[in-house]
Amino acid sequence: SQQGEEDPQALSIQEGENATMNCSYKTSINNLQWYRQNSGRGLVHLILIRSNEREKHSGRLRVTLDTSKKSSSLLITASRAADTASYFCATAPIKAAGNKLTFGGGTRVLVKP
Amino acid sequence: DAGITQSPRHKVTETGTPVTLRCHQTENHRYMYWYRQDPGHGLRLIHYSYGVKDTDKGEVSDGYSVSRSKTEDFLLTLESATSSQTSVYFCAINERGGENEQFFGPGTRLTVL
Repeated sequence: SQQGEEDPQALSIQEGENATMNCSYKTSINNLQWYRQNSGRGLVHLILIRSNEREKHSGRLRVTLDTSKKSSSLLITASRAADTASYFCATAPIKAAGNKLTFGGGTRVLVKP
Repeated sequence: DAGITQSPRHKVTETGTPVTLRCHQTENHRYMYWYRQDPGHGLRLIHYSYGVKDTDKGEVSDGYSVSRSKTEDFLLTLESATSSQTSVYFCAINERGGENEQFFGPGTRLTVL
């Protein structure tokens, strides 16, 4: 079963606007990660936030983590057409053998020029 | 980019035939993973390896087997392909002791007729 569930499933915005997507999960985690997937390509790691962190920034990306609500959000500021992709959250559950991650179903983001 | 390749990149086969997909890495990472990606299901873990000849099942392992005879190669075999195994298959690698960040290959699109 998918531990991480993204919301919304799809998002359409104009270039320059911000895009926000959310991820909810069910069990205690070591960290939560966000990945991007361009059409027809493999996933690319964007950012990792540890369970003891509340907010993290990387360029135009801002990630928050609320472990009490078991949720995270990814904000992309000043979006560009090149940000069009699917975004996945992945959780690293505590005591997960093999450094396994559990991926959500993804949010498809379309940035219109 | 992490040195990870997959072969073949595309394959069409018939029901009942054996199929082997190869994942090759040049990073000397200990952990390797096979996922399948299907619409509406995100990424689901099939099998993973935590060292040479050390493998374990993921959440959707039925109908699949794996082998890892050397660090750089992780093979996924469909002993008798079925139409339900039509999917895009991704390999990923991970360095134990790191942050659980995974690096993904470009994917193999498999169609079983």
